[in-house]
Amino acid sequence: SYELIQPPSVSVSPGQTASITCSGDKVGDKYACWYQQKPGQSPVLVIYDDSKRPSGIPERFSGSNSGNTATLTISGTQAMDEADYYCQSWDSSTAVVFGGGTKLTVL
Amino acid sequence: EVQLVESGGGLVKPGGSLRLSCAASGFPFNNAWLTWVRQAPGKGLEWVGRIKSKTDGGTTDYAAPVKGRFTISRADSKNTLYLQMNSLKTEDTAMYYCTTGGDLTFFFWGQGTLVTVSS
Repeated sequence: SYELIQPPSVSVSPGQTASITCSGDKVGDKYACWYQQKPGQSPVLVIYDDSKRPSGIPERFSGSNSGNTATLTISGTQAMDEADYYCQSWDSSTAVVFGGGTKLTVL
Repeated sequence: EVQLVESGGGLVKPGGSLRLSCAASGFPFNNAWLTWVRQAPGKGLEWVGRIKSKTDGGTTDYAAPVKGRFTISRADSKNTLYLQMNSLKTEDTAMYYCTTGGDLTFFFWGQGTLVTVSS
């Protein structure tokens, strides 16, 4: 079955750039999206179709997807960006698949 | 404004059944593909299953852990999505979210309803 692998945690200083990776076999051949989830809240879509931002998502969120890695980049990270982030894609063998999630700490 | 409001969660014994509902508004429900996603306490997101719009066949697909036990259905006249859960197991304990979207992207999420399977 298809899997997406994310690092369990990433730390970043305020104002710096955070990069969260999502590894999967030829994930670059598929579309990837990213969700942000803060404690006690529902997930929120922050990136879809690899690099598109939904309305209302700040420009500091960007995405890329190539080869075996999709990446979520947060430029000028703010304290409010501290959250869990999940990548997601689709595969014909597994249907919808989520990564295990990455806890982003801003310190 | 898109709104998705789940209900029907609660405490149920192993082997029991529960039906979740998701009341939707703010978008053309009858044209939408809809999906259930769950999240066990302290764990990540897990796809449960999806139902297509009737114009796209209205078919369903399910994740392997729930196939044969869970059934997704829709009532377009009521703008409501359902998840019938039978033969519940302790590992089905989770927050259950309904979302808009088919397989590639889930644009909107409800607040979730908690299902606890315990004796």
